[in-house]
Formats: sequence, structure tokens, C-alpha cells
Amino acid sequence: DSGVTQTPKHLITATGQRVTLRCSPRSGDLSVYWYQQSLDQGLQFLIQYYNGEERAKGNILERFSAQQFPDLHSELNLSSLELGDSALYFCASSVDRGSTDTQYFGPGTRLTVL
Amino acid sequence: QKEVEQDPGPLSVPEGAIVSLNCTYSNSAFQYFMWYRQYSRKGPELLMYTYSSGNKEDGRFTAQVDKSSKYISLFIRDSQPSDSATYLCAMIEGSYIPTFGRGTSLIVHP
Repeated sequence: DSGVTQTPKHLITATGQRVTLRCSPRSGDLSVYWYQQSLDQGLQFLIQYYNGEERAKGNILERFSAQQFPDLHSELNLSSLELGDSALYFCASSVDRGSTDTQYFGPGTRLTVL
Repeated sequence: QKEVEQDPGPLSVPEGAIVSLNCTYSNSAFQYFMWYRQYSRKGPELLMYTYSSGNKEDGRFTAQVDKSSKYISLFIRDSQPSDSATYLCAMIEGSYIPTFGRGTSLIVHP
């Protein structure tokens, strides 16, 4: 158990809908990262927050947004969902913001868009 | 061509075998190299991390980096059925954005 929690575990929704994925980092970790993992693209970095502020951005679509709250939990919002958004979404956390800080991954949220 | 190439496998070996997992990359700016293990239905977990060419050992695991050839390897000695998982290589060029390989599925059969 990495100490990172993600809810929900599974999410099934329809095209065009909007969903929110939630992540609670390990106690004491200030950075939160979001990743998307699909069979054809592998694990793709989406975005990083450090202590409430956006720190780095990867290949995150404009339909997706994230935020980190004062209690350091984070939410990833996915809107106007398409079939291709079906994937595993992982959250990871680390103590600091450095590129070499060990990232601890949560168990993931499996999103299915029908 | 993707920046990081990794054979998806599956790689099937008998228990006790030495396993070699590899990644090649095209971006010479990559400085930090990592190996993650991902069990089915779980998130990746960091196995090893290195930033220099050469070997780094941790128990049964050895990570090897050859920057001149843009090639990294993970060796697993005395492989166990519990090592059956997907192994992902990842690289960072100094920003905070890691680039992952697609992962190699390893099956160690008793």
C-alpha cells in the first residue's frame, strides 16, 4: 500500500459527460501528479501540482483540468468525454517538487466511456 | 518514433532465470533513468533510479545505463514467480516530466 488513495476505483459513463477523479496524497507529500495509462499510449504524464500551484504540464487535453486544494488532495476533472478517454488514471505523490523525488502511485481509477 | 522504446513482450522465463529488460531512447538530454514495476490492477512502484552511466545494484536487481548507446537495462537475478509483472522504464531530462516506455510484461513460471 503506497499511502496514496484514489476514488472511485471504477467509473462507467457515457460520451459527452463530465467526471471528477479524486486523489489523496501520502501524509506529508506536497506534490501530486496525474497520469493516464492506456493500452496504445502507455503511461502519459498529465499534470503536476505542488502545494496548491500548478508546477508542470504534460499532454493534458483542454477538456481536462485539475486542481489541488489547501488540504493537498487533488481532483482531475474530465469533461466532454470521448470513447478514447477510456483509460486508467493514476495519481502519484512525492514529498517535494524535484524531478528526482520518488513518486508513490495510487491504485488508479479505471474510466470506461461508453 | 517514440522517444522511449520498450518491447512489450510478454517475456516468459522459468523460475531462477536471469531476466534482462531493456529500453532504448532517442533524446540525449535524458539525465535520470528509472525502472518501475507494475502488478496487475495496481499502480507502478519505483524499483530503481540512477542518473549516471554504469551499473547500480539493489539486491537481485541491477540497473545498467549506457548513455553513449542510449540504452538502459534492468537485470533480475534468481527470478521468482512474484516478479511476474509489467516493468516500465522512465526517463527525465531535467524538467519534471517523466517519459515512460510502454512496459514489458514479464512472466516467471515455477
